[in-house]
Formats: sequence, structure tokens, C-alpha cells
Amino acid sequence: GAVVSQHPSRVICKSGTSVKIECRSLDFQATTMFWYRQFPKQSLMLMATSNEGSKATYEQGVEKDKFLINHASLTLSTLTVTSAHPEDSSFYICSARDRGGGRPYEQYFGPGTRLTVT
Amino acid sequence: QQQVKQSPQSLIVQKGGISIINCAYENTAFDYFPWYQQFPGKGPALLIAIRPDVSEKKEGRFTISFNKSAKQFSLHIMDSQPGDSATYFCAASIRGNTPLVFGKGTRLSVIA
Repeated sequence: GAVVSQHPSRVICKSGTSVKIECRSLDFQATTMFWYRQFPKQSLMLMATSNEGSKATYEQGVEKDKFLINHASLTLSTLTVTSAHPEDSSFYICSARDRGGGRPYEQYFGPGTRLTVT
Repeated sequence: QQQVKQSPQSLIVQKGGISIINCAYENTAFDYFPWYQQFPGKGPALLIAIRPDVSEKKEGRFTISFNKSAKQFSLHIMDSQPGDSATYFCAASIRGNTPLVFGKGTRLSVIA
């Protein structure tokens, strides 16, 4: 149980275009989802916290107009990287918390999406 | 105060040996301490977690030791195997309501 999926797993796009990444909780309802980015050999950097039905809370230094987050349902959150540039190339990972299960503290991660902007 | 300091940065252990990774925190409000395992190109996977009401938790070859007074916790991997070679992250949060604060990670290599 507690599986989180991401789509796509890899995406290559041209500079200036927008890319949408989906994060789904497959077997539980996630009232809260998180988006992280990770550079090679570094730790996870929290970008934003997404609560179902409300606006995402962005971490300091993360441009909310560039990284659009939508948490439209209890099982789906999307991250759209708008007007992508090569410096946005990174590994994006989502995670979700299962509030309704017996382990409300635990956070489950998706497999990640490798974004390359050319 | 939100930091979690993790050491060592990298670790090489012989097959069959014990791998030990340490973390320290400052914020006494933290009450949930998980460890994650990450393989290259994959998302982190929850390995084991502990709450401060216990000093040790064991699951198979993995053990968390928790020292509340010292504000430290550690991961012990017994009988380390080459398949354990990965990056390990410690983390902490408050009542599960706040985002996880991650350590910088430890790259473990288990050699035969």
C-alpha cells in the first residue's frame, strides 16, 4: 500500500515551453502533497506544500508564477514548470501524506521526474 | 533551528559489517524521525521511522537508536550487503503536520 506515482518519468523540452508533471496517490487519499527538486548528489529541496482544494504554500525563493501547483483532488497534484529554462533542469519528486490511514505521520515519495530543458 | 545535521557524508563498509549513520537536530519540537533510502534515479523510499517515546526501533537489519537528551538519532544497518549501497537521508518533522526537514544525505557503499 501507500503508492505514489509520477508521470512522466522523464521529459525533455525546449527552452521557453511549459511542462506539466502529475503526481498521484494510487491507493490512499492525500490531503497534503509536497513537491521537491533534487540536484545531483544533493539533498531534497522542498519547493511547495500542496493542500487539496486550496492554494499551495511555496518555500522562500521559489517562484510561484513559474512553478504552478494544482491539487485538484485527493489523489492528484500537478506541477507545471512554465517558460522552462536550462537552469530548471532537475529531478522533481512529489510526496504525499496518508492522513486517513493508520500512519498519519508517514510521507511517501513518488519515483521522480527527470526534466531536461534544452 | 530547522536543520538536521547528518554525518558522515559518505561511508564505505565491508560486506557483512555494520553501517552507522548519525543525525542531530536542534528543534525540540520535532517528534517524528524517519530514514529514507534512495537509489540513483529513484525517489526516496521510507525505510524506518521512530517517535521520541522510544529509544530504539528495529525492523529486520535496520535499527534506529534515538537519544532525546542529546537530540541525536542514528541508523544502524546490520550485516550490510552490496544491495544496501544507496544514499540514506534522515529527516524530522513536527507531529507529521510540517514538511520533513532532511539531512544532506550519506552515500553508502558496501564492498564485497
